[in-house]
Amino acid sequence: AQTVTQSQPEMSVQEAETVTLSCTYDTSESDYYLFWYKQPPSRQMILVIRQEAYKQQNATENRFSVNFQKAAKSFSLKISDSQLGDAAMYFCAYPNAGGTSYGKLTFGQGTILTVHP
Amino acid sequence: ETGVTQTPRHLVMGMTNKKSLKCEQHLGHNAMYWYKQSAKKPLELMFVYNFKEQTENNSVPSRFSPECPNSSHLFLHLHTLQPEDSALYLCASSPRGGTSAGTDTQYFGPGTRLTVL
Repeated sequence: AQTVTQSQPEMSVQEAETVTLSCTYDTSESDYYLFWYKQPPSRQMILVIRQEAYKQQNATENRFSVNFQKAAKSFSLKISDSQLGDAAMYFCAYPNAGGTSYGKLTFGQGTILTVHP
Repeated sequence: ETGVTQTPRHLVMGMTNKKSLKCEQHLGHNAMYWYKQSAKKPLELMFVYNFKEQTENNSVPSRFSPECPNSSHLFLHLHTLQPEDSALYLCASSPRGGTSAGTDTQYFGPGTRLTVL
């Protein structure tokens, strides 16, 4: 069974600084996707960034980038130039792409990010 | 706004009540999901529907009964719930459904905050 682990329940960062949120996962598959979702206080979950495992290049989306290490099964999220609006809970997620569990996402426990002005 | 709406946003019910949660997506997506988010627990997938057919029931108690009358609407019927069922219930959808669903971004609604007395 796939598992996703976020070992940092809470993180904090100063505005304009950089922070990295960690995520590790366990899978026996070789081709898959990984996702980071953000859930701000308004509670609506939105996608931050996604990575395709067969791509060597780390995904980047404006101030958000990932450090994907396939062999280590690690998928960390780096937020550069942190802004107050980045304060949220961040979830790492891994989907079951095969079998009958189409679209089943396994989420990590989440990391609460606080941004200090 | 993600294009996924949920009603009601808040619901308080007694253990003997019957109520329903509604989810609607305006995105033309083919897969829809129900998740449960409890305090201090990871997001838990409950049900997956692909092309209106249920493809995943994640060992959910029968007091939760999903219904997907068409690809745009998803309901969660609730009856004789327990206080431990109090949680945020999130609906999501993704574009393609089927075996591609696991590679697609999921779009979440704002959730229904359910309190069972």
